Amino acid sequence: SQKIEQNSEALNIQEGKTATLTCNYTNYSPAYLQWYRQDPGRGPVFLLLIRENEKEKRKERLKVTFDTTLKQSLFHITASQPADSATYLCAPNNAGNMLTFGGGTRLMVKP
Amino acid sequence: DGGITQSPKYLFRKEGQNVTLSCEQNLNHDAMYWYRQDPGQGLRLIYYSQIVNDFQKGDIAEGYSVSREKKESFPLTVTSAQKNPTAFYLCATTGTGGPSNQPQHFGDGTRLSIL
Repeated sequence: SQKIEQNSEALNIQEGKTATLTCNYTNYSPAYLQWYRQDPGRGPVFLLLIRENEKEKRKERLKVTFDTTLKQSLFHITASQPADSATYLCAPNNAGNMLTFGGGTRLMVKP
Repeated sequence: DGGITQSPKYLFRKEGQNVTLSCEQNLNHDAMYWYRQDPGQGLRLIYYSQIVNDFQKGDIAEGYSVSREKKESFPLTVTSAQKNPTAFYLCATTGTGGPSNQPQHFGDGTRLSIL
């Protein structure tokens, strides 16, 4: 079955710096990959969707890349702010065309 | 406001008891999903429904049951057969199209614990 790996350790960065989160997947080549933000005690909120034929997608301070050769997606937040502190989940689709969610990486942006 | 409402926010289950989690949506979305989230783990799919009166098992359906009698509602029952029910339960919807090529919209979850 598909396996999703996100860094389980928290990522601590200084305000204003660029945060880069990694999502690696195995055993399947997804056609789509989504990123979500989740705050404590809340449901995930959709951020970006990238397709296999797209190398990069941007939305305001967010950028996602999708490398189907490396089987990896990178999620970047530029000019990070304390309000960006949250857990970020990656979710590629699986062979059944459902989303498979990673365990998430917690981002802490310090002022 | 359009959205997904899950209730209750917190729920406690006694031994041998079935409990039902509510999920209501006013987004007019066809598809609805139930996920379970354990600490530090990804969301795991329990059941999903793409149309009224039809639903399919997800990856971890054992010990759970659902119904889809109305487009707006997709309740999840956690039965006594589910031996480890303590988790955060999330309901989601998608509109017309596939489950993975468009955003999923989530409610704010129900946290279930055993008494």
